[in-house]
Amino acid sequence: GIQVEQSPPDLILQEGANSTLRCNFSDSVNNLQWFHQNPWGQLINLFYIPSGTKQNGRLSATTVATERYSLLYISSSQTTDSGVYFCAVPHYGGSQGNLIFGKGTKLSVKP
Amino acid sequence: NAGVTQTPKFQVLKTGQSMTLQCAQDMNHNSMYWYRQDPGMGLRLIYYSASEGTTDKGEVPNGYNVSRLNKREFSLRLESAAPSQTSVYFCASSGGLAGGHEQFFGPGTRLTVL
Repeated sequence: GIQVEQSPPDLILQEGANSTLRCNFSDSVNNLQWFHQNPWGQLINLFYIPSGTKQNGRLSATTVATERYSLLYISSSQTTDSGVYFCAVPHYGGSQGNLIFGKGTKLSVKP
Repeated sequence: NAGVTQTPKFQVLKTGQSMTLQCAQDMNHNSMYWYRQDPGMGLRLIYYSASEGTTDKGEVPNGYNVSRLNKREFSLRLESAAPSQTSVYFCASSGGLAGGHEQFFGPGTRLTVL
C-alpha cells in the first residue's frame, strides 16, 4: 500500500519563527489533507490540497503531485501552533476511501 | 452544524467488558470511518462504511464490530475488551467514495481497558 513519510519528526521553535514541514508519499494521489492535532487531541482540518498552493492566514500548503510531496509552511509561529501535524492521503485499494496517515511532526513553540 | 459528534468522550473498561461507541454526522455525508490512534502514531482504520447499508474491514478490525444504523450514524462495538484496545478512537465522515472528498473528524473517545 501507499506509504506516507513526514519530516522532521520533532521541531522546536521560538515564537515568531517560520517553519516548513514535509510530507512524502509513495504513489500517485488525487487528494491530500493536512491536519493539526492540538494538545487536547482534537484533529483540526488545515488544508485539503490535491495539488497547487493554498493559504489560510499564517499557514500555507503546497502539493506537487507529480513529485509526490507536499509542504506545510507556518509563518510567525505562535504558542497555539504547538501540537502534531499530520498529512494523510487516500488509500485507493478497491473501494476503500480511508486515509493513510503519516506519523506526524510534533511542533513545540516556545514563548 | 455540529459536524461529527462522538459519545462518550472518556471510558474506562475492565477486561472482558463490552461497550459501544457512538458516532453521528449532520453533513449528509455518504461515507463514515472508525480509526484508532495509539501513542506516537498516526491514525489507523478499523472499519468503514462507504454508504448506508455497507461496511468493510480496514487495517485493524480484529476485536471490533460496526453498525451503520442509518446515513447519519455509525457505531463501533467492542464485544470483549482487551488491554490492547486501549486507544483513542476517532470517527470521521466524507462526502463520497474512493476518498475523493475531504474527511472531517469527531473529537475522539479516549478508552482505557484495565
